[in-house]
Amino acid sequence: KNQVEQSPQSLIILEGKNCTLQCNYTVSPFSNLRWYKQDTGRGPVSLTIMTFSENTKSNGRYTATLDADTKQSSLHITASQLSDSASYICVVSARYGGATNKLIFGTGTLLAVQP
Amino acid sequence: DTAVSQTPKYLVTQMGNDKSIKCEQNLGHDTMYWYKQDSKKFLKIMFSYNNKELIINETVPNRFSPKSPDKAHLNLHINSLELGDSAVYFCASSQALRRDTQYFGPGTRLTVL
Repeated sequence: KNQVEQSPQSLIILEGKNCTLQCNYTVSPFSNLRWYKQDTGRGPVSLTIMTFSENTKSNGRYTATLDADTKQSSLHITASQLSDSASYICVVSARYGGATNKLIFGTGTLLAVQP
Repeated sequence: DTAVSQTPKYLVTQMGNDKSIKCEQNLGHDTMYWYKQDSKKFLKIMFSYNNKELIINETVPNRFSPKSPDKAHLNLHINSLELGDSAVYFCASSQALRRDTQYFGPGTRLTVL
């Protein structure tokens, strides 16, 4: 069964601190993994996308890692800011040939950055 | 300019009513989607349309009927609303050959009383 699990479910950190969010998946056939940021009252916005051959990818203060062997990904946020407060959703894409992709969504990690 | 827009942003209605949510994208995409996000923030796909043709229809009650008048629009009509329909509904779009890269609208929060 294709599943994406995220941990922790929620996290509170102080402004300026670093944090790491985890994503474990059992999705096959794997195509790519994407981290989304969803601000309160808004739709998800893509942060990074990683394919099978990529181990790490950065987008500003966000760094995502992917271990395709253990089927784990992490999202590391450096020097957190208040605006980082949001839900972070891990989404894994399964590709079934041609242009057919199925997205499997994680339940998200709710991050609160406090001053 | 807004890429994927939805109206209304908030919708409060009584059980049994019929309501519609509209979605428009100006990205030139061929494929559009409707997602439901429940109180636990889990996003679940409901429908997908490619060039006005239904290609994905997950196990959604037939009270929900998507309508795509053209490639840029995908509206969601809901009949006989129930309490369990309360959720945030997101519209998204993508290129037909890049369905793993979806752009989401701002969401419509539906509350059924």
